[in-house]
Amino acid sequence: QLQLQESGPGLVKPSETLSLTCTVSGGSISSSSYYWGWIRQPPGKGLEWIGSIYYSGSTYYNPSLKSRVTISVDTSKNQFSLKLSSVTAADTAVYYCATPGYCSGGSCYSGFDYWGQGTLVTVSS
Amino acid sequence: VIWMTQSPSLLSASTGDRVTISCRMSQGISSYLAWYQQKPGKAPELLIYAASTLQSGVPSRFSGSGSGTDFTLTISCLQSEDFATYYCQQYYSFPWTFGQGTKVEIK
Repeated sequence: QLQLQESGPGLVKPSETLSLTCTVSGGSISSSSYYWGWIRQPPGKGLEWIGSIYYSGSTYYNPSLKSRVTISVDTSKNQFSLKLSSVTAADTAVYYCATPGYCSGGSCYSGFDYWGQGTLVTVSS
Repeated sequence: VIWMTQSPSLLSASTGDRVTISCRMSQGISSYLAWYQQKPGKAPELLIYAASTLQSGVPSRFSGSGSGTDFTLTISCLQSEDFATYYCQQYYSFPWTFGQGTKVEIK
């Protein structure tokens, strides 16, 4: 059973870079079955997909965040990471790492089956 | 970008009611649609994928229908544990997008 766990600072200063890591257990980060992704949820608001990365290294980002987002994979640690630059208070949110459970040939055939518990990141000086 | 319109945003219902939530796409997505349930302080949970396939372990009172641009989530007999917020999500093409959410509250 795949398990995901987010880690990283809970407080980031405005204009700095938010950095989070998701550790994957129960499966390989190099598997073609998953798209490793990040989703966020501002307090009291809905879900926003930030971006995803495939085992091949292909990345896909939300156009509204694309200029500030980088998602990468560390196969040696079975982890993937999120970097969001030039943060403002509007980036305060619970950040989830997640993946669909069944992807193949670059397409996915399910929604997000697996989620981390989420981590609250507050942007404040 | 595929825009999604989820309605209603708030639904007041009683235990035992049949409720439906709608999700409409700005363009066709075949059946590449998922539904999630989220309770306060928890990560969303996948209920339905491929528009109508029930995720393992999800009660049969949940059902999904639709294809193309119009989709529906139905809860046939609302239980106390079903009061939560529900989201639709398309995974037909990037950027993947979520609906705005529907909060199902006790009437």
